[in-house]
Amino acid sequence: GAVVSQHPSRVICKSGTSVKIECRSLDFQATTMFWYRQFPKKSLMLMATSNEGSKATYEQGVEKDKFLINHASLTLSTLTVTSAHPEDSSFYICSARDRAVETQYFGPGTRLLVL
Amino acid sequence: GEDVEQSLFLSVREGDSSVINCTYTDSSSTYLYWYKQEPGAGLQLLTYIFSNMDMKQDQRLTVLLNKKDKHLSLRIADTQTGDSAIYFCAESYTGTASKLTFGTGTRLQVTL
Repeated sequence: GAVVSQHPSRVICKSGTSVKIECRSLDFQATTMFWYRQFPKKSLMLMATSNEGSKATYEQGVEKDKFLINHASLTLSTLTVTSAHPEDSSFYICSARDRAVETQYFGPGTRLLVL
Repeated sequence: GEDVEQSLFLSVREGDSSVINCTYTDSSSTYLYWYKQEPGAGLQLLTYIFSNMDMKQDQRLTVLLNKKDKHLSLRIADTQTGDSAIYFCAESYTGTASKLTFGTGTRLQVTL
């Protein structure tokens, strides 16, 4: 089946720094990718929809200046957490839409810890 | 707004059947899904059902949908230790490639 990778899988950073997370579709083109956030023992919350070549669409309550999304190519979307704070610590999961089969595939997630 | 609720925890013995339940509030949902998440990993799509169906069976998995009561269930027959994971139900309007609203997740523990 289709594979979506995320890098890094785990990251620890200091408060105030920025962290970039990559989401790649490895064997298909993804015009749309989704970014989710999962709190411990909680469900996944959609943060934003990333569209190749255009601006991301953010869900209500998600700060677009805080969580910068760039979908520069058909196989790569990046999420940058700017000026990270401890409350940004979470599990971030991306998914990529394969238009050829109209299916969404999830990445393995990135665990972010902000100290 | 959209709400998708699940019980938090279920424990079953190996070999028994597991039934995981989900209730949703949005009657316009057209697709309902079950995903599995193993520790520290992403989500794996197990199965999905269209809202005009009552039941779908796929090997050990049986999905039942009661649209009137907005109730979805996942039955796992002959539960194995490898089935231990968190199970999420989810809903969408337009199909598996669109925006998903996830339930709160049910942690399934399989004991020997």
